[in-house]
This record gives sequence, structure tokens and C-alpha cells, in this order.
Amino acid sequence: AQSVTQLDSQVPVFEEAPVELRCNYSSSVSVYLFWYVQYPNQGLQLLLKYLSGSTLVKGINGFEAEFNKSQTSFHLRKPSVHISDTAEYFCAVIPLTGGGNKLTFGTGTQLKVEL
Amino acid sequence: KAGVTQTPRYLIKTRGQQVTLSCSPISGHRSVSWYQQTPGQGLQFLFEYFSETQRNKGNFPGRFSGRQFSNSRSEMNVSTLELGDSALYLCASSLSPAKETQYFGPGTRLLVL
Repeated sequence: AQSVTQLDSQVPVFEEAPVELRCNYSSSVSVYLFWYVQYPNQGLQLLLKYLSGSTLVKGINGFEAEFNKSQTSFHLRKPSVHISDTAEYFCAVIPLTGGGNKLTFGTGTQLKVEL
Repeated sequence: KAGVTQTPRYLIKTRGQQVTLSCSPISGHRSVSWYQQTPGQGLQFLFEYFSETQRNKGNFPGRFSGRQFSNSRSEMNVSTLELGDSALYLCASSLSPAKETQYFGPGTRLLVL
């Protein structure tokens, strides 16, 4: 079984400041990793994913994430946030073997960007 | 290409009733998964369908069921609604069940009174 931990339930940050949203996972098998964003009253939008290859992954809207296998982490970063980045961010994993297409999600981090 | 569509977007039901939610995947996508999102439990996997067959099921009671049609559209049904079933129900589609990226619809918000 897999589990995902997002330690920060809320992250307040000023506009144009950098931000890091933390994600750690636990799994007995290798996993694919994803970050999704959810704006109010909307579904989930894929920000980026790590399947294999370079551990630094670039996504949409200027976000990037780094996969660290030894620390079982997949933290999301953005060098300069904008008001429009205010949303909830979810880290998720899928096992490489078994489990079908079942995504296991973290509890989410609410990013609040302030002027 | 149109995204995943879900109908209805909002629904109010009373305890004991049943409800059917619909999901139309992205054209060409044949795998559909359903998730329940609540403030208390977060995002939880309900079930996954591919080629009209349920391939995977989450830990939900038998009141929750689903099906997929030959055109890949999917429905989920909840019978004997309980207050705790109030949630945002999200549908996601992917090309296949082979660990493909899943694309989510806007969800159906169900309120059970």
C-alpha cells in the first residue's frame, strides 16, 4: 500500500516570493508521482509528473518538483508566486506494479498568496 | 479536444434516496476512475473501469456502484444515501489503465439532507 504525507495544510506567502510545498510518500514498490492543483469549485488539474529520468521535473505555470528517492520526497517549488496561484495543491502517487490506475493522494496544501 | 464532463454539477438529495452521476471521458480515453472528495477524508478512490469492466475498487460499502458503457462513458450510483455521502465526486479519464496520466472533470457536488 502507498501513503502520501503533505505536512503543511496551509502555506501563506507574499506575491513574488518563492514557495516550496512539501510531499513525502511511503511505498513498498516504486511509484510514479504527480502534483495536481485544485482551484475553488473546480476539478483537479495536472501540474507535473515524475515517471522516470531526470529527477527535476518542470510543469505548467512555472512550477517544478524534484524527486528524491532516498528521502522519498517530491517537493513542489516555484521561484516567484502570483496571486492566481492561490489554490489547493495535492501530491499523489501510483505504484508501478499493481494497483491499476488508483491514485493515492495526500491531504492537500492550501497555498494562499497575499499582496 | 473537450475535457472530461460530469453531469449534473450540483445535486441535492435526502437521506435514503439514491443518485446516479454521469461522466463522459475525453474522446479516445477508455479508462475512467471515480474519486470522492470530502473535507474530513480528503480524496479517496472509489473505482476504476476499462472496457466496461471494473478493474479496481476502493474501500467503500456496496451502496456505491458503477458501470461503464461501450462508448466509455461511465455512471456511478449511490443507493440509500447517508448524510456522510455529501461530497464532491470527481471523475478522471485516461487513455488506458497502464499508469497513464489521469485528467479530471469538474466534479459533481452532492449534498445529502
